[in-house]
Amino acid sequence: QVQLKETGPDLVQLTQTLSITCTVSGFSLTTYNVHWVRQPPGKGLEWMGAMWNGGGTDYNSAFKSRLSISRDTSKSQVFLKMNSLQTDDTAKYFCARGVMGITDYWGQGVMVTVSS
Amino acid sequence: DVVLTQTPPTLSATIGQSVSISCRSSQSLLDSDGDTYLNWLLQRPGQSPQLLIYSVSNLESGVPNRFSGSGSETDFTLKISGVEAEDLGVYYCMQATHAPLTFGSGTKLEIK
Repeated sequence: QVQLKETGPDLVQLTQTLSITCTVSGFSLTTYNVHWVRQPPGKGLEWMGAMWNGGGTDYNSAFKSRLSISRDTSKSQVFLKMNSLQTDDTAKYFCARGVMGITDYWGQGVMVTVSS
Repeated sequence: DVVLTQTPPTLSATIGQSVSISCRSSQSLLDSDGDTYLNWLLQRPGQSPQLLIYSVSNLESGVPNRFSGSGSETDFTLKISGVEAEDLGVYYCMQATHAPLTFGSGTKLEIK
């Protein structure tokens, strides 16, 4: 069955770099897209960017200068890397499968706290 | 960026009551390919969002048919015909017609 699982640190120091891995199963990264979405505590959802099935990427301009998304198709993994973390980057980070404008499966998310 | 305005921000309903949530877009969500990429998601407490409705009115597999979606261009509605206890949570509309993808601010459904 389709599954996505995010793994990453619970805590990141201020100004440091966040690295999260989304490991997928039940589908191919060359057929489906993977989106990254985050949710600060008690707040709404914010789209960060996507890895398209063809290998291209798109980013929300709000993050563009410090966000990078990549993948390893042989390991069915998509990677998020964001540098220069601030306290308002504290959030739960989700990866979600995408196809034709739909995000149909979501991971459980990983809660990341940025600490000073 | 496309702004999606959801109303009401909170909704309190009794079991069996029918309710509607509105999602208004700052731009038409009709894509040049003829589709309208407006989806509805539900985030239950402590869980990830789950897809309910895609492309305005298509029910995702496994979602009860008490959920329905309607609308066009800039004006969309999610209706729950007969709320059940498991429907509590926050409902989000989401558009994927224009980059970047954006979400509404959410409507919290509480059960009386």
